[in-house]
Amino acid sequence: DQQVKQNSPSLSVQEGRISILNCDYTNSMFDYFLWYKKYPAEGPTFLISISSIKDKNEDGRFTVFLNKSAKHLSLHIVPSQPGDSAVYFCAASGGSGNTGKLIFGQGTTLQVKP
Amino acid sequence: DTAVSQTPKYLVTQMGNDKSIKCEQNLGHDTMYWYKQDSKKFLKIMFSYNNKELIINETVPNRFSPKSPDKAHLNLHINSLELGDSAVYFCASSLRTGTMNTEAFFGQGTRLTVV
Repeated sequence: DQQVKQNSPSLSVQEGRISILNCDYTNSMFDYFLWYKKYPAEGPTFLISISSIKDKNEDGRFTVFLNKSAKHLSLHIVPSQPGDSAVYFCAASGGSGNTGKLIFGQGTTLQVKP
Repeated sequence: DTAVSQTPKYLVTQMGNDKSIKCEQNLGHDTMYWYKQDSKKFLKIMFSYNNKELIINETVPNRFSPKSPDKAHLNLHINSLELGDSAVYFCASSLRTGTMNTEAFFGQGTRLTVV
């Protein structure tokens, strides 16, 4: 039972364009959502997060949008750069007995072409 | 200055052996975790410790035993290793303020290969 899903295994965009990565979740008790970036042979690196009381959070080129009614969040990267090429994981936490554990999606591999 | 460091980065061992993976964080966080990334690339939590106390144990075989000597360290000991234990193991830490969550910081991972 996968509570967090990233239905696109891969995405390819041209440098300078927008990258949009999507994530869906099923547990309405989740109240905190995060995006991580992962390069090969490295650990996931925190990118940006959003609390369920907000619908948008922006940090430089990265913006996360949250649609609670649709149980959907997305990460926008504008403009995309070749260095953004990595695997992006969506994660969620919260619910009763919140322990801080993260439930991850299966990841989306982003390739930004020069 | 590494925030979350785990050793070793690579570990190749034979079935039946016992091995340990060490993790240390210098962020002053009070909560530490072990995650496993399997061959399908899913990242799943195994254990969590808050101030040296076990708070999450996700149906992991009891051959896996975490040990937290202090809140800056969380080691993972695995007994009687099996082929299916081959995976990448990530240590992580976070700061929890009451019921508020903050982001978790991850180590670089330990790729365990059981032959």
